[in-house]
Amino acid sequence: GQNIDQPTEMTATEGAIVQINCTYQTSGFNGLFWYQQHAGEAPTFLSYNVLDGLEEKGRFSSFLSRSKGYSYLLLKELQMKDSASYLCAVVDSNYQLIWGAGTKLIIKP
Amino acid sequence: GAVVSQHPSWVICKSGTSVKIECRSLDFQATTMFWYRQFPKQSLMLMATSNEGSKATYEQGVEKDKFLINHASLTLSTLTVTSAHPEDSSFYICSARSETGTSYEQYFGPGTRLTVT
Repeated sequence: GQNIDQPTEMTATEGAIVQINCTYQTSGFNGLFWYQQHAGEAPTFLSYNVLDGLEEKGRFSSFLSRSKGYSYLLLKELQMKDSASYLCAVVDSNYQLIWGAGTKLIIKP
Repeated sequence: GAVVSQHPSWVICKSGTSVKIECRSLDFQATTMFWYRQFPKQSLMLMATSNEGSKATYEQGVEKDKFLINHASLTLSTLTVTSAHPEDSSFYICSARSETGTSYEQYFGPGTRLTVT
């Protein structure tokens, strides 16, 4: 079966750095997405990785290792507005998105 | 670019009635649209994949006769919740995929909050 694992909840302090991990086992791989979802809102795109390595975009970076079936989202200089759920999703061999359950990130002052 | 709209943004209906939700890609053509449902504090659950001009593909456990999907054009898909019950109360989100790119990114609509009384 297909499986995406990410922690259910994480807590971090404003101004700090947090890393949200995602491991996956899917039938084929055509890229991995990270989305941010605030409560009561639809998900918004953060990043897309299809090759191994680190992609940096401002305060957010995303890393991928295809051989390990592993990705992480790194958030720097955390702000209160970063409190949200972070969803990891993998594009499988049928080009369908397989979603993780999401990681709820709580930022404390 | 890549804007997806949904209408209505929220709706309250009585048990037994039907509700139609529209999903539109405003500035691109979407061969494929997806319908998701999300209950409070839970992850997105894919209900069905909608392809323009053909029947939708429903996920296991989703009743196709209850959740009617029509994808009549490259910019519009509709979800009709028929004979709604309180347990159908949820956040319904559509997304559209642009086939012109190679990233297979899905662009999400803002969601529709349905409350059935």
